[in-house]
Amino acid sequence: EPEVTQTPSHQVTQMGQEVILRCVPISNHLYFYWYRQILGQKVEFLVSFYNNEISEKSEIFDDQFSVERPDGSNFTLKIRSTKLEDSAMYFCASSAAGAYGYTFGSGTRLTVV
Amino acid sequence: GIQVEQSPPDLILQEGANSTLRCNFSDSVNNLQWFHQNPWGQLINLFYIPSGTKQNGRLSATTVATERYSLLYISSSQTTDSGVYFCAVETGGGNKLTFGTGTQLKVEL
Repeated sequence: EPEVTQTPSHQVTQMGQEVILRCVPISNHLYFYWYRQILGQKVEFLVSFYNNEISEKSEIFDDQFSVERPDGSNFTLKIRSTKLEDSAMYFCASSAAGAYGYTFGSGTRLTVV
Repeated sequence: GIQVEQSPPDLILQEGANSTLRCNFSDSVNNLQWFHQNPWGQLINLFYIPSGTKQNGRLSATTVATERYSLLYISSSQTTDSGVYFCAVETGGGNKLTFGTGTQLKVEL
């Protein structure tokens, strides 16, 4: 069964450092997303990406965040200067037609120290 | 924005028992999905169910869009059903999902 692949599974970084979280969406999907989940809380939407541009973003997705699809397979989330409150599980997801078939990756647990 | 509330927040079952999880939402939605987050943190898509009823093995789901709620039924629960169950709704046209507060389920032997 096709899956969304995320790397790394865990990352520890020092406050103020830049991190890049990587995702390989399902190959025939057209819509890509990032979500985050702070420990013990619900999953929150960060950004959606379609046709090589951001289609929607949340209030959380401020100037410290950016997304990119550098080639035909990868989808990345960059946090420029990490803060302690950025510590969370970050999920990448992709879907085919609209929201049908939403598939999440296994997540990257980011810890900012 | 839309509010998505789930009940109960926590549930403990004996293996073999049945349960019903509820998801209420405050506005019209384009679609609704149920996810299971297993103890390893993975989010597994259970149902895409904007309306009506679907069944998949021991799980079934019903969404009554006009009354703004959805139900997830788990029958003959097993320890592997443990984890957090989230409903998530989509409003507008951007495919963004708004997740509910979750139901933490623990199935014991």
